[in-house]
Amino acid sequence: IAGITQAPTSQILAAGRRMTLRCTQDMRHNAMYWYRQDLGLGLRLIHYSNTAGTTGKGEVPDGYSVSRANTDDFPLTLASAVPSQTSVYFCASSDGEVDEQFFGPGTRLTVL
Amino acid sequence: GQNIDQPTEMTATEGAIVQINCTYQTSGFNGLFWYQQHAGEAPTFLSYNVLDGLEEKGRFSSFLSRSKGYSYLLLKELQMKDSASYLCAVRGGDYKLSFGAGTTVTVRA
Repeated sequence: IAGITQAPTSQILAAGRRMTLRCTQDMRHNAMYWYRQDLGLGLRLIHYSNTAGTTGKGEVPDGYSVSRANTDDFPLTLASAVPSQTSVYFCASSDGEVDEQFFGPGTRLTVL
Repeated sequence: GQNIDQPTEMTATEGAIVQINCTYQTSGFNGLFWYQQHAGEAPTFLSYNVLDGLEEKGRFSSFLSRSKGYSYLLLKELQMKDSASYLCAVRGGDYKLSFGAGTTVTVRA
């Protein structure tokens, strides 16, 4: 692995289903982030983690949860998917809060 | 709240220069970033400004005026591969990034 990986690449999901988007980085970065990108709105921060064991809410956290059990992994869970959660989801990481963020390839999620 | 504005679209000719403006109103300021995003791909880091002035990196330059809440990204000697979306992002007082909606640049032969 080099950088950040996300899985799945794309997914079609029925409304009401539970879904976990996976994110793994091998750069030993302390901070990790989840964004969603919607046309005309740009990237919006869902949740973040400044270091393993801690998480925080971003601009649009409702309907999403995260965990950070270790440095490398930062999964995003949709407990009960709704159509408004149809979006492209990007995971990102940075060495610290003040450093540039590196983005994963994204997950395209469609909720029907 | 955060408010970051940039034009939606710009078109330019190969070999030309294009300037993408970004204005912002944010709660605190800890730097401004520019990212490039090709269609269907992840954003990639281009530049970072935290002090007023011009930062140059090859064909790309970025300018910041904190008093005016203004930045621009200058792309010189445009190439077809520069066709992409360019994202302005401000790191606010909470050290989190807020992104503009992006400017789609189309380079024509």
